Amino acid sequence: GENVEQHPSTLSVQEGDSAVIKCTYSDSASNYFPWYKQELGKRPQLIIDIRSNVGEKKDQRIAVTLNKTAKHFSLHITETQPEDSAVYFCAARFNTNAGKSTFGDGTTLTVKP
Amino acid sequence: GAVVSQHPSRVICKSGTSVKIECRSLDFQATTMFWYRQFPKQSLMLMATSNEGSKATYEQGVEKDKFLINHASLTLSTLTVTSAHPEDSSFYICSARPGQMNQPQHFGDGTRLSIL
Repeated sequence: GENVEQHPSTLSVQEGDSAVIKCTYSDSASNYFPWYKQELGKRPQLIIDIRSNVGEKKDQRIAVTLNKTAKHFSLHITETQPEDSAVYFCAARFNTNAGKSTFGDGTTLTVKP
Repeated sequence: GAVVSQHPSRVICKSGTSVKIECRSLDFQATTMFWYRQFPKQSLMLMATSNEGSKATYEQGVEKDKFLINHASLTLSTLTVTSAHPEDSSFYICSARPGQMNQPQHFGDGTRLSIL
């Protein structure tokens, strides 16, 4: 089955700096890669996703890049703000109707004011 | 759009009690729903995939007689933790995905279960 590794497990940055979280996956058949943000005690919320026919996607301060050959994808947050502090999860999925996602272990991001 | 509602949000009960958790997709139909368990500061562990009109698919190591899943309609899946014990205490989260392919899954608010 699919295996997703996520690094780093914790990340602390100064407000205004950039943050990068990286994930690698094992199953070359995976073709859908979402990123979720989870605040303490709350639901994971989709913040951005990318499909395997695209190498990069950007939404304001958030971007995701995908390298299919190397089987890794990264989340980039620019101009970080304290409200970006949360746990971020990457996931990989083979996009069938019943496809289940495999999640990384999560990265705790702390943005210091 | 794509709202998933999960109830109850918090349950505290005695050991031996059975607890039912509901997961509803409010504005879309979901042929597939997923049930996760999350321990503090850990990732989402998939327990089972709930399929409308058929039996759920359980992940390895998850007891299907312990965690009963019913997906009777395209908008409702339930998870029943039978004869719950303190080790079943955890945060349970459901998610649902619209029936069309290439759609992201959306999560409920989760249920914090505490067994005394």
